[in-house]
Amino acid sequence: DAMVIQNPRYQVTQFGKPVTLSCSQTLNHNVMYWYQQKSSQAPKLLFHYYDKDFNNEADTPDNFQSRRPNTSFCFLDIRSPGLGDAAMYLCATSRDWGGEQYFGPGTRLTVT
Amino acid sequence: AQRVTQPEKLLSVFKGAPVELKCNYSYSGSPELFWYVQYSRQRLQLLLRHISRESIKGFTADLNKGETSFHLKKPFAQEEDSAMYYCALKGDDKIIFGKGTRLHILP
Repeated sequence: DAMVIQNPRYQVTQFGKPVTLSCSQTLNHNVMYWYQQKSSQAPKLLFHYYDKDFNNEADTPDNFQSRRPNTSFCFLDIRSPGLGDAAMYLCATSRDWGGEQYFGPGTRLTVT
Repeated sequence: AQRVTQPEKLLSVFKGAPVELKCNYSYSGSPELFWYVQYSRQRLQLLLRHISRESIKGFTADLNKGETSFHLKKPFAQEEDSAMYYCALKGDDKIIFGKGTRLHILP
């Protein structure tokens, strides 16, 4: 009965090798978010989709991209991961922007 | 600058004692404030939001615009309250989380 699913739960990639993280939802929510959370830090919003409209945070590096092919799925692409991109990546959904968010379990990314 | 500050990284409280987790914010407009909680091995989930003005699991939080605070309180701590607590702010075009406070309930 998981409502927000993230795959994989753990991802190891090499420095500079593109990687894609996946998120899916069964809630039919309009908004999907991607957060980056480093150790002992606050979750930091990277971007969000309201339906098909993409909204990038001003300080999100160009290295991070996202795709939302349909209501249920959203992907986070890191084009050239650096060591500083190692973090937990959280996907969340909400019915409306900024409303109650439902989080996935996260994907822990390691960059070697 | 817009920010959410949770001054305590770790808060240890004896079972049955009152709990107060502090949250202060800086935002120029009219924000909406939330508390999210993450129990061990579980995902982040909403605990409460200021517009609901309700008590969840015995917790309450009041938005104090004068002090720009949204502290989370519970009169009597229970062992199952041990978790990571995050304060979050929703502005017109921003969502900002605090760094979180780990609440440890001592037996």
